[in-house]
Amino acid sequence: DVKVTQSSRYLVKRTGEKVFLECVQDMDHENMFWYRQDPGLGLRLIYFSYDVKMKEKGDIPEGYSVSREKKERFSLILESASTNQTSMYLCASQGLGTFSSGANVLTFGAGSRLTVL
Amino acid sequence: GENVEQHPSTLSVQEGDSAVIKCTYSDSASNYFPWYKQELGKGPQLIIDIRSNVGEKKDQRIAVTLNKTAKHFSLHITETQPEDSAVYFCAALRRDSWGKLQFGAGTQVVVTP
Repeated sequence: DVKVTQSSRYLVKRTGEKVFLECVQDMDHENMFWYRQDPGLGLRLIYFSYDVKMKEKGDIPEGYSVSREKKERFSLILESASTNQTSMYLCASQGLGTFSSGANVLTFGAGSRLTVL
Repeated sequence: GENVEQHPSTLSVQEGDSAVIKCTYSDSASNYFPWYKQELGKGPQLIIDIRSNVGEKKDQRIAVTLNKTAKHFSLHITETQPEDSAVYFCAALRRDSWGKLQFGAGTQVVVTP
């Protein structure tokens, strides 16, 4: 089974701090995603990467950046955390291929709950 | 871009009853519609999906129906059990794709014994 690991389950940070959220997948998937989950808003795409060093903005990229130096690792960076970035952050990976091989299926990590004080 | 609306936001059902969650999408070019289940403390996990060339798909107690003309799709859970309690998300594959999904807002399902 594909495994997506988010290293920090719970973080508490102060306003203005730089925050790194790390995500590692072990199935050689090309695509990786960062979503933000808030009640009533569902899952909103922050950033997406389709290859090493390649990234694309999602729907809510403001205040965030990402890094993908290796295929298995996709990091989300909050340059200067603010209270409105308090949320659950979900990383996901996705392989390429045919529908029958499972393409388009996202495999999510367990999430990182960030509180910014 | 694609917009996915999901209803209801919360659903309480008695164990053994059926549950139905409905979603509508805006982009007629969308052709893939998955449903994800998120249990407490876990990430969402795919439970069933359907492509636009199929009207219905079933997997044991869960089924998904798709009406392309009306641009809506639904999740049906029969004979609900306490372990069905979770948040359910519908999604649609976006036109600007690379595999990106547009998610609905989620439905909190509570199954009471």
